[in-house]
Amino acid sequence: GESVGLHLPTLSVQEGDNSIINCAYSNSASDYFIWYKQESGKGPQFIIDIRSNMDKRQGQRVTVLLNKTVKHLSLQIAATQPGDSAVYFCAETRGYWGYQKVTFGTGTKLQVIP
Amino acid sequence: NAGVTQTPKFQVLKTGQSMTLQCAQDMNHNSMYWYRQDPGMGLRLIYYSASEGTTDKGEVPNGYNVSRLNKREFSLRLESAAPSQTSVYFCASSGTGTSGYSYEQYFGPGTRLTVT
Repeated sequence: GESVGLHLPTLSVQEGDNSIINCAYSNSASDYFIWYKQESGKGPQFIIDIRSNMDKRQGQRVTVLLNKTVKHLSLQIAATQPGDSAVYFCAETRGYWGYQKVTFGTGTKLQVIP
Repeated sequence: NAGVTQTPKFQVLKTGQSMTLQCAQDMNHNSMYWYRQDPGMGLRLIYYSASEGTTDKGEVPNGYNVSRLNKREFSLRLESAAPSQTSVYFCASSGTGTSGYSYEQYFGPGTRLTVT
């Protein structure tokens, strides 16, 4: 069946260091992979996405890497800041006409140590 | 733009009571979704609406009903609340690109529901 999972439930990083959050997926038919950030008491917030035909995409301080050979997704955050402390979800998604089927992972908590 | 709004933010129900969770979006999105989030379970889809006038079951629809009132509003109803429905409920919406396919979802702040 479909599944999206995370290797590390909690990640502690020193402020200023780089963070890497990993994710495994199983559905080869997924169109997009998305990373969401969820701060305490708030809804998930889109960070960055990547098409299945790409292997790397960069945003502001974030980079997503996709390795389709081993079905692995990672989120790299450069110069981690206290405001990056949150739970990060990877999600695999397949777009259908009019709606989006999304499978979310269980999340990794990122703790930034000042 | 307010994005996706949800009411109420918190709710406590007794077993057997009913209630409706409200959701509205001002982004002119066609698709809307209801998820529940439980510790260690991630987000699970309850119902979705691909467009005004249509609704479909998601992964965990039992015990819930939905109404797509108009393009902006999508409500979730618990007819007879059970303790197993204690959870955080998120509404989301997504637009449709020129190809007709819909990707990024925007989430509301959530409703924290406790059923005793």
